[in-house]
Amino acid sequence: DSGVTQTPKHLITATGQRVTLRCSPRSGDLSVYWYQQSLDQGLQFLIQYYNGEERAKGNILERFSAQQFPDLHSELNLSSLELGDSALYFCASSVDGTGNTEAFFGQGTRLTVV
Amino acid sequence: GENVEQHPSTLSVQEGDSAVIKCTYSDSASNYFPWYKQELGKGPQLIIDIRSNVGEKKDQRIAVTLNKTAKHFSLHITETQPEDSAVYFCAAPNQAGTALIFGKGTTLSVSS
Repeated sequence: DSGVTQTPKHLITATGQRVTLRCSPRSGDLSVYWYQQSLDQGLQFLIQYYNGEERAKGNILERFSAQQFPDLHSELNLSSLELGDSALYFCASSVDGTGNTEAFFGQGTRLTVV
Repeated sequence: GENVEQHPSTLSVQEGDSAVIKCTYSDSASNYFPWYKQELGKGPQLIIDIRSNVGEKKDQRIAVTLNKTAKHFSLHITETQPEDSAVYFCAAPNQAGTALIFGKGTTLSVSS
């Protein structure tokens, strides 16, 4: 158990809908990262938050947004969903968000868009 | 970081053989190189990492080597076992040094 908790584990929704994925980082970790894993794309970095502030952006679509709350949990919002958004979404956390320390991953949320 | 290339994409070995996975990175300022193992239905798990001030690190049957001049690092697994079968990812920091960028993964299959 990495200590990173993601909910829900599975989500099935229709095209055009909006969903929210939730992540609780390891105790003491200030930084949260979101990654998308598709079959042919590996682990794609989406966005990073550190202590409530956005720190880095990767290949995140404009239809996607995220935030980190004062209690350090994070939510990833996906809107106007398309079939191609079906993927595993992982959250990771690290203590200082420098990219030079260990990052620990949750078990992921499997999103299926039908 | 920023661009991380990983080879091979698939690797099949016999139990007891060694396995080597190689990664190259583009940002010469990168100084942290972790390896993750992902089993089916689970999240990636950190198995070993190396920092730029050392050339090699070992942990039982796994080792990582780093060549900063050539900008590549490798994962070595000796005496492979069926439970080593998984997808392995290398990673390096992005250009801003804030997040990890991952290679596309290597699917390792160990047959008994």
